[in-house]
Amino acid sequence: DQQVKQNSPSLSVQEGRISILNCDYTNSMFDYFLWYKKYPAEGPTFLISISSIKDKNEDGRFTVFLNKSAKHLSLHIVPSQPGDSAVYFCAASGRGYSGGGADGLTFGKGTHLIIQP
Amino acid sequence: NAGVMQNPRHLVRRRGQEARLRCSPMKGHSHVYWYRQLPEEGLKFMVYLQKENIIDESGMPKERFSAEFPKEGPSILRIQQVVRGDSAAYFCASSPGQGQRAGNTFGSGTRLTVV
Repeated sequence: DQQVKQNSPSLSVQEGRISILNCDYTNSMFDYFLWYKKYPAEGPTFLISISSIKDKNEDGRFTVFLNKSAKHLSLHIVPSQPGDSAVYFCAASGRGYSGGGADGLTFGKGTHLIIQP
Repeated sequence: NAGVMQNPRHLVRRRGQEARLRCSPMKGHSHVYWYRQLPEEGLKFMVYLQKENIIDESGMPKERFSAEFPKEGPSILRIQQVVRGDSAAYFCASSPGQGQRAGNTFGSGTRLTVV
């Protein structure tokens, strides 16, 4: 039972264009969401997060949008750069949610972003 | 200021042997989280520990797996009598306090291969 879903295993985007990575969740107890970036043979690196009291958070080239009614969030990267090629994981946290660890994170399966020159 | 250190990076064990994975948290951090990533999957929470205490082990398999975080030294994830299905990447993260909402850094992981 996947609580956090990333339905696109891979995404190819041209350098300089916008990359949009999507994530859906099913558990309404989630109230905090994070995006991680992962290179092969390395651990995940935190990118950006958003609380459920907001609908947008921006940090440089990265913007996360949250649509609570649709239980959907997306990560926008603009402009996309070659170094952005990596696997991106969406993760969720919820106070009182113990299914994935009350203080841990529930991850999606990831989307492999490929930036083409 | 070193990040989260995990060792070994790669570990090969024969079926039935024991695997010990170590995680040294960032300096000043007293909370550790272990995750497992199976091939083509996301990271799955296993256990959350503070120094000398297991706080939440709801993601740990009921048998063969155990974790500790002693007063001194690294956190240890121990897998007894390993089976092929234990082959995975094991990651840990640390935090100075409860919760991972600060986007804590993960270690580079230990890749366990059971042959």
